Amino acid sequence: EAQVTQNPRYLITVTGKKLTVTCSQNMNHEYMSWYRQDPGLGLRQIYYSMNVEVTDKGDVPEGYKVSRKEKRNFPLILESPSPNQTSLYFCASGQGQGTDTQYFGPGTRLTVL
Amino acid sequence: GENVEQHPSTLSVQEGDSAVIKCTYSDSASNYFPWYKQELGKRPQLIIDIRSNVGEKKDQRIAVTLNKTAKHFSLHITETQPEDSAVYFCAATLSGSARQLTFGSGTQLTVLP
Repeated sequence: EAQVTQNPRYLITVTGKKLTVTCSQNMNHEYMSWYRQDPGLGLRQIYYSMNVEVTDKGDVPEGYKVSRKEKRNFPLILESPSPNQTSLYFCASGQGQGTDTQYFGPGTRLTVL
Repeated sequence: GENVEQHPSTLSVQEGDSAVIKCTYSDSASNYFPWYKQELGKRPQLIIDIRSNVGEKKDQRIAVTLNKTAKHFSLHITETQPEDSAVYFCAATLSGSARQLTFGSGTQLTVLP
């Protein structure tokens, strides 16, 4: 089944404790992206990647890191999480340069205390 | 960069009535405009998209119109049903440019039985 998976789905952590949210897709998509969703603010892009070893900043990259060592994986890293990073995070993938249909993962709800 | 404004933020309609959601964008170069639907607790999913070489596109009860001169596009849902209740997001980008997809802030549509 074609899909985008994220893990974990729910995470409660404390300020400053490094964490990684994994994202994997099995559709051989070149494009992958991370978004955060906050009430009233819609979906804001954190980072995106056009292909392996190619990443670029979105609208809200501060406090986040990503890597794209393999085509199928695009982990999101929070080196020192802070409470303002409490949010719902979505990973997405798509063909081409992201301007075709984007397929979203199930979401990761992160709470930073 | 691109800026997308979406209105209204909430919309309630009676079952069977029509619903219209409007978006404006700032970058006249943008030429790809998708709409995503997000049901409660679920991931966003593409429902329809339009490219700037057409002014209108229909898919059963949903349609999207685009006015490039005025830089706005709209989602029209006819004969609304309870299962149409969801958050709808518009987005805009320049296809093939390696630019990010910019989302509007979302519209919570409630269809009242």
